[in-house]
Amino acid sequence: GAGVSQSPRYKVAKRGQDVALRCDPISGHVSLFWYQQALGQGPEFLTYFQNEAQLDKSGLPSDRFFAERPEGSVSTLKIQRTQQEDSAVYLCASSRDRHLSNQPQHFGDGTRLSIL
Amino acid sequence: SQQGEEDPQALSIQEGENATMNCSYKTSINNLQWYRQNSGRGLVHLILIRSNEREKHSGRLRVTLDTSKKSSSLLITASRAADTASYFCATPIIQGAQKLVFGQGTRLTINP
Repeated sequence: GAGVSQSPRYKVAKRGQDVALRCDPISGHVSLFWYQQALGQGPEFLTYFQNEAQLDKSGLPSDRFFAERPEGSVSTLKIQRTQQEDSAVYLCASSRDRHLSNQPQHFGDGTRLSIL
Repeated sequence: SQQGEEDPQALSIQEGENATMNCSYKTSINNLQWYRQNSGRGLVHLILIRSNEREKHSGRLRVTLDTSKKSSSLLITASRAADTASYFCATPIIQGAQKLVFGQGTRLTINP
């Protein structure tokens, strides 16, 4: 595809439900990132994959958050037993290479998650 | 936690005027990046400036970097209504990964 694709664009869930957010990175991109963006704030790092390996999950807020990228392409961010503070926009980004900071990250349009 | 702080938080100018946004950061960096975010959309990479560069241009964009003051500025010349967006600076944190740490952003409004 031409860019990073995320689905769904909007998700409404009741508190306590589990949700799954999907990210299709740019084809061939090695690195994949998940960010959380609260209203009016900048994105905050959640987790990073290099191919299928999750190399950094230091930003995940709790053990209710789980991410995977089993075949090194599509990634899923799962949130279990959602709480109201999980309401945010979840952004996925990919970049071409690994371990290289001097390259841009390409972002999807995000999934806006609302927990009622 | 966020490393960068943008200033101002919001800026409203007339079309055709220049817009200047500033960013300060806390730790040593090897580069600084600027991104734009239109309402309801993802972030779009604008420009990257390396730590050994002082100024960089791309079209109507001019970025400066002062590593001694740990600050950067983004200048948009001859602004257009389509420049209305939020602008973020970001610095990569190298700890086994290449995650970006973003500031809170500047919300720029260009009035026709």
